[in-house]
Amino acid sequence: SQQGEEDPQALSIQEGENATMNCSYKTSINNLQWYRQNSGRGLVHLILIRSNEREKHSGRLRVTLDTSKKSSSLLITASRAADTASYFCATGASGNEKLTFGTGTRLTIIP
Amino acid sequence: DVKVTQSSRYLVKRTGEKVFLECVQDMDHENMFWYRQDPGLGLRLIYFSYDVKMKEKGDIPEGYSVSREKKERFSLILESASTNQTSMYLCASSWQQTQYFGPGTRLLVL
Repeated sequence: SQQGEEDPQALSIQEGENATMNCSYKTSINNLQWYRQNSGRGLVHLILIRSNEREKHSGRLRVTLDTSKKSSSLLITASRAADTASYFCATGASGNEKLTFGTGTRLTIIP
Repeated sequence: DVKVTQSSRYLVKRTGEKVFLECVQDMDHENMFWYRQDPGLGLRLIYFSYDVKMKEKGDIPEGYSVSREKKERFSLILESASTNQTSMYLCASSWQQTQYFGPGTRLLVL
């Protein structure tokens, strides 16, 4: 069953601009993660934020988590052509290693 | 670095054939997963395994089975392939809930 839903489904921006994508989920979580998938490849883990955290940074990535609204956002600053990919949020619950993935946001960076 | 490999990048099979997809990880992870990915549907969990010989059904196990005889290897079996199993299949292993994915196998069933 799908837990996360990303918004928007697709996003095109100019190189150098910031990209923001959002994720909403339905049930209680232990953590929320973001993954990137380049066309036709496997997913790559980007960042994990725990349910007791509100914001986390990693390089040009900033993730926020609002557990009261059951939502998260991923901000990519100063976008580059290489950031063109699909981005997925995934939620994890306590007690097991399973994740539930959303349907993804397809990001296109226009050079 | 964690490495997860899958036996084939592309595979073409005929309806009714038995299909084996293999996944190997090199980080001694206990947990391994098989997903299928279809446009608009995201990743859907088929099966996962939390230890050797241990498995648990995911959200869409029908038409699939799995085998985990060794810790590093997790196999997905399509007993009798059907056209609706044409998809991208992704394997992953995990540690502390972070998942590490293989490159995927794009399966076409004719």
